[in-house]
Amino acid sequence: SAVISQKPSRDICQRGTSLTIQCQVDSQVTMMFWYRQQPGQSLTLIATANQGSEATYESGFVIDKFPISRPNLTFSTLTVSNMSPEDSSIYLCSARTGGFYEQYFGPGTRLTVT
Amino acid sequence: DAKTTQPNSMESNEEEPVHLPCNHSTISGTDYIHWYRQLPSQGPEYVIHGLTSNVNNRMASLAIAEDRKSSTLILHRATLRDAAVYYCILRINSGNTPLVFGKGTRLSVIA
Repeated sequence: SAVISQKPSRDICQRGTSLTIQCQVDSQVTMMFWYRQQPGQSLTLIATANQGSEATYESGFVIDKFPISRPNLTFSTLTVSNMSPEDSSIYLCSARTGGFYEQYFGPGTRLTVT
Repeated sequence: DAKTTQPNSMESNEEEPVHLPCNHSTISGTDYIHWYRQLPSQGPEYVIHGLTSNVNNRMASLAIAEDRKSSTLILHRATLRDAAVYYCILRINSGNTPLVFGKGTRLSVIA
């Protein structure tokens, strides 16, 4: 299994600023992902964080707005850039070890943009 | 990803069995059926998964139709702690493929 922690757990930010969310896994994992969950909605996949290379973004998400880093097998960051109130969401980090079926999720970072 | 259809919400009495349905008529032969649930203010957690045969684990049972176009997650005895959103997701069992979530079913458990 894998235990995922995220920092910060929540934040209130002003529009136009940026926030970097950190994701730490307690064991080495093959795959790491970032999701967004808007209020009352399901989870939407933002991107797959690739170690040592650029993240793979889903349709509707771009690197300039959501730059992602993954320097090693246990850590990743997601930055929400030039924030607007529409970015107010819960951002969740997720990970899986290749060959295993279970995907693990962090507790999420609740972001409010004013 | 093949699409799944679930009821928006369901209600159950505590200590009674709950059957959560999922339709996936466009499922392909390589799709596994996964169930996750999201408790309030938490990230999703794995519940169970299967391919063709019915599956049991300590949390739940998964009943898969013979034609695989539908499945049912069975909670044998609902507790208040089972109140959550339950997601039925199809995914090929490849290490590189992330979960893609649908809308899920919000289960309420009444004491």
